[in-house]
Amino acid sequence: GAVVSQHPSRVICKSGTSVKIECRSLDFQATTMFWYRQFPKQSLMLMATSNEGSKATYEQGVEKDKFLINHASLTLSTLTVTSAHPEDSSFYICSATGQGAGETQYFGPGTRLLVL
Amino acid sequence: SQQGEEDPQALSIQEGENATMNCSYKTSINNLQWYRQNSGRGLVHLILIRSNEREKHSGRLRVTLDTSKKSSSLLITASRAADTASYFCATDKSGTYKYIFGTGTRLKVLA
Repeated sequence: GAVVSQHPSRVICKSGTSVKIECRSLDFQATTMFWYRQFPKQSLMLMATSNEGSKATYEQGVEKDKFLINHASLTLSTLTVTSAHPEDSSFYICSATGQGAGETQYFGPGTRLLVL
Repeated sequence: SQQGEEDPQALSIQEGENATMNCSYKTSINNLQWYRQNSGRGLVHLILIRSNEREKHSGRLRVTLDTSKKSSSLLITASRAADTASYFCATDKSGTYKYIFGTGTRLKVLA
């Protein structure tokens, strides 16, 4: 099946710094990418939807100035957590769909963010 | 919120037994998908069932969909210890490819 990678797999940062997470589709063109966050033992909560070449659409309650999303190419989307705080510590997962993926969303392995 | 609910929240069974998980959702859908997640890892797609389908099989997995009740079930037959994971259903928002996840069922299969 299609492959989606995320980098880094885990990151620890100090409060107040910004962290960038990359999501790449390796063998298909991802016209749409999604970003989720997941707290321990909870479900995935959709944060935003990004379409290649256009602005991301954020879900209600998600601060777009805090979680900057860029989907500049058909294989790469980035999520930047700006001025991170301990409450931003979470598991961030991206998924992608597009040409060659059909109706299935393919998920990345996730990035665990710990803000000290 | 469109988020689905799954029950049970947690399920513990012996190896070889069948495991059934249920998912209920709130709005009309085009598709419903089931995913599996091992602890702290990404999601693995298991099966997609369309709104005009009632049942689908894949190996030891059997998924049913009842759109009149807005519910779906995932059956894992002859479970194995390696099936231990969290299982999520996800429903789409018409025409957007945007999926909303259910609350998940944590399955533990004891060897």
